[in-house]
Amino acid sequence: EVQLLESGGGLVQPGGSLRLSCAASGFTFSSYAMSWVRQAPGKGLEWVSAISGSGGSTYYADSVKGRFTISRDNSKNTLYLQMNSLRAEDTAVYYCAREFRNGGYSYDAFDIWGQGTMVTVSS
Amino acid sequence: EIVLTQSPATLSLSPGERATLSCRASQSVSSYLAWYQQKPGQAPRLLIYDASNRATGIPARFSGSGSGTDFTLTISSLEPEDFAVYYCQQRSNWPQYTFGQGTKLEIK
Repeated sequence: EVQLLESGGGLVQPGGSLRLSCAASGFTFSSYAMSWVRQAPGKGLEWVSAISGSGGSTYYADSVKGRFTISRDNSKNTLYLQMNSLRAEDTAVYYCAREFRNGGYSYDAFDIWGQGTMVTVSS
Repeated sequence: EIVLTQSPATLSLSPGERATLSCRASQSVSSYLAWYQQKPGQAPRLLIYDASNRATGIPARFSGSGSGTDFTLTISSLEPEDFAVYYCQQRSNWPQYTFGQGTKLEIK
């Protein structure tokens, strides 16, 4: 079964750091670009960051650029998000998501999502 | 930055009725638009990609149409499990992904 499982969320003070993990199973992890998408309580979806299958290319939303770092370990089938200098507005459920591919072509959409991990930034 | 505007914010319908949800882009995104369904406490689920292609396992009552700046998600006959929040999403201003603010489909 294709699956993504996030972990690492929790309560952190403003200015603090947290590292999220996303364990992938059931597919060839290194063949897929991956993203982090977040959702503040009662709000809509916001894309945070993406990384290519090899890990050689990374991309960030302006709201997190310079504070968050996305990475992956293809030998461990795991995606990471290092979050530094956290702010109250970073409070959200963080989802990892797989970029949709079909017939060898990559589409700019997400076909597999994890269940999410909650990050709360508060003093 | 391309902004996606969804309308209406809330749509109240009864099971068996037809639902029409709109997503408008601030500039052309060609056909590079996806739709997702999200139920409370759950992750989003991909419904439609490239404006009109149903994802694997999505029932035929869901259909997408449009290109350029105006897109529509249609649910031909609402089932009880279809009441949820729906989001559109694009990536024409690569590498940034953008989501619409969502339409809540509620039972009337």
